[in-house]
Amino acid sequence: EVHLLESGGGFIEPGESLRLSCAASGFTFTSSAMSWVRQAPGKGLEWVSTISGSGGHTYYADSVKDRFTISRDTSIDTLYLQMNSLRAEDTALYYCAKTRGGVQDSWGQGTLVTVSS
Amino acid sequence: DIQMTQSPSTLSASVGDRVTITCRASQSISSWLAWYQQKPGKAPKLLIYKASNLESGVPSRFSGSASGTEFTLTISSLQPDDFATYYCQQYDSAWTFGQGTKLEIK
Repeated sequence: EVHLLESGGGFIEPGESLRLSCAASGFTFTSSAMSWVRQAPGKGLEWVSTISGSGGHTYYADSVKDRFTISRDTSIDTLYLQMNSLRAEDTALYYCAKTRGGVQDSWGQGTLVTVSS
Repeated sequence: DIQMTQSPSTLSASVGDRVTITCRASQSISSWLAWYQQKPGKAPKLLIYKASNLESGVPSRFSGSASGTEFTLTISSLQPDDFATYYCQQYDSAWTFGQGTKLEIK
């Protein structure tokens, strides 16, 4: 059974940095693309970033490009999202998702990031 | 960027009803369209991929179809467990979600 556990969220001031982690189990992590999707309080889903299984290809939403970096450590089956220069509009629940053929077929329960002064 | 427009934003229906949710892409996305269900306080769940392929374990009352840039999700006979918010997503060029359709009990 696929299991994804996000961590690293918290309360942070604008302009600061935060790194999210997602521990994966139950599937072959090295073979799977992975994504981050966020959801602002009371709002819809917004795709943030995707990384290929090899880690050689990364993709970002325009809203986070040049501020966020997705990466993965295959030695410990963990996905990361380094978030720099955080803004109030980055406040959201951040989900980690296994990505198969372009779709997010398994999701974690999310970690909440609140950016506020 | 590809925009996805879902309608309606809210839908009121009763158990046993047949309901349809529509999603329109701003340009051609072939069949690279998925549907997700999300219940309050829970992570989204994949229902359909590539416009009409049912994800494993999803009840057969859910179906998807496509016509050009218009896509539909149909629930043939609503069950109590189906009241939730539904999102479409294109994955032809990057990824974009529709704004969501909240399916409420009438």
